[in-house]
Amino acid sequence: EVQLVESGGGLVQPGRSLKLSCAASGFTFSNYGMAWVRQAPTKGLEWVATISYDGSSTYYRDSVKGRFTISRDNAKSTLYLQMDSLRSEDTATYYCARRQRYWYFDFWGPGTMVTVSS
Amino acid sequence: IQLTQSPSLLSASVGDRVTLSCKGSQNINNYLAWYQQKLGEAPKLLIYNTNSLQTGIPSRFSGSGSGTDYTLTISSLQPEDVATYFCYQYNNGLTFGSGTKLEIK
Repeated sequence: EVQLVESGGGLVQPGRSLKLSCAASGFTFSNYGMAWVRQAPTKGLEWVATISYDGSSTYYRDSVKGRFTISRDNAKSTLYLQMDSLRSEDTATYYCARRQRYWYFDFWGPGTMVTVSS
Repeated sequence: IQLTQSPSLLSASVGDRVTLSCKGSQNINNYLAWYQQKLGEAPKLLIYNTNSLQTGIPSRFSGSGSGTDYTLTISSLQPEDVATYFCYQYNNGLTFGSGTKLEIK
């Protein structure tokens, strides 16, 4: 059974940093691209970043470029999102998702909440 | 590509045939998926590539469309289908629609 479990969320002040993790199990992690998708409270879904199966390629939405870094450790079957220079508009539930070949996401974790506030 | 979903809120009775719409600002070339999100839960993939049913999803869910216009149909609405439904395009960039909230009348 595919499982994705995010961790690392919490309350952080504007301008500070936070690192999210996503532990994967139930599939061969190193065979799949992975992504982070976020959802602000009572809002819709927003793609944040994607990484290729081997970590060689990364992609970001414009609003997080230069502030967020997606990475992975295939030996640990873990996905990461380093978030720097956080802003109030980054407040959201962050979901880890497995990416299929055609760039849709077939499995999602339960999410971890990030609140950016002073 | 911007995605516009309609209606934003839909109220229907158990057993009804329900149709949700998703319209793109440009041609999506059938690279469209549908997700179901129940309150407090993560999104669940229902349909990908316009009309391919994800494994384990009941056959009452189906997708269709082409070009800029796509549809998710629930052939016979069940109480457990209460959720918000999002369309998602992966043809040009990656964007989600704003969602249709489906409730039981």
